[in-house]
Amino acid sequence: EAGVAQSPRYKIIEKRQSVAFWCNPISGHATLYWYQQILGQGPKLLIQFQNNGVVDDSQLPKDRFSAERLKGVDSTLKIQPAKLEDSAVYLCASSLGSRLFEQFFGPGTRLTVL
Amino acid sequence: AQSVTQLDSQVPVFEEAPVELRCNYSSSVSVYLFWYVQYPNQGLQLLLKYLSGSTLVKSINGFEAEFNKSQTSFHLRKPSVHISDTAEYFCAVSEGGSYIPTFGRGTSLIVHP
Repeated sequence: EAGVAQSPRYKIIEKRQSVAFWCNPISGHATLYWYQQILGQGPKLLIQFQNNGVVDDSQLPKDRFSAERLKGVDSTLKIQPAKLEDSAVYLCASSLGSRLFEQFFGPGTRLTVL
Repeated sequence: AQSVTQLDSQVPVFEEAPVELRCNYSSSVSVYLFWYVQYPNQGLQLLLKYLSGSTLVKSINGFEAEFNKSQTSFHLRKPSVHISDTAEYFCAVSEGGSYIPTFGRGTSLIVHP
């Protein structure tokens, strides 16, 4: 079974530029999550999708971050414009609707904002 | 709101020695508890979880954790570690029936030969 795929694995941009991350969850997983992991901290949930609908985006800085999951499969997370404090690893995870406690994580995208 | 404290940022240990990674949480309601492991250059993997029932839970690779409600702890233990156990370990808690975990800062387990 293929795992959660994310791209790119690494990205370096300058502040005020925009960036987008892509995630392909495990086939059949209806629930998809985006987490932000700042160096030295645990992951923090940014947004949760159930199919193509948003379940929880209370922690998403909506002035600069946006996310979509148009067809209920792949998802993209965008930052525009980026700030220095956005430097982090962005993790995507997915889970089956019947096993929400078991999240499968992708390898993450490491973003460096200069 | 719940919070998770992992007091040790780094735990160095020799191969075949026992290890304990400490995790304490704060919550005023019932909780679910998790340990995740992150091997170098890989994503987080669920190692074990406590949802209900027996307070001692075990993983397939020899780790175990015990839910102690009175001490609000969920320490992770292994009686004999291997080089391959070198990784970052994250304790996480969710409360009130939620399945969205709050993660601790992580503990880096470094196993020396």
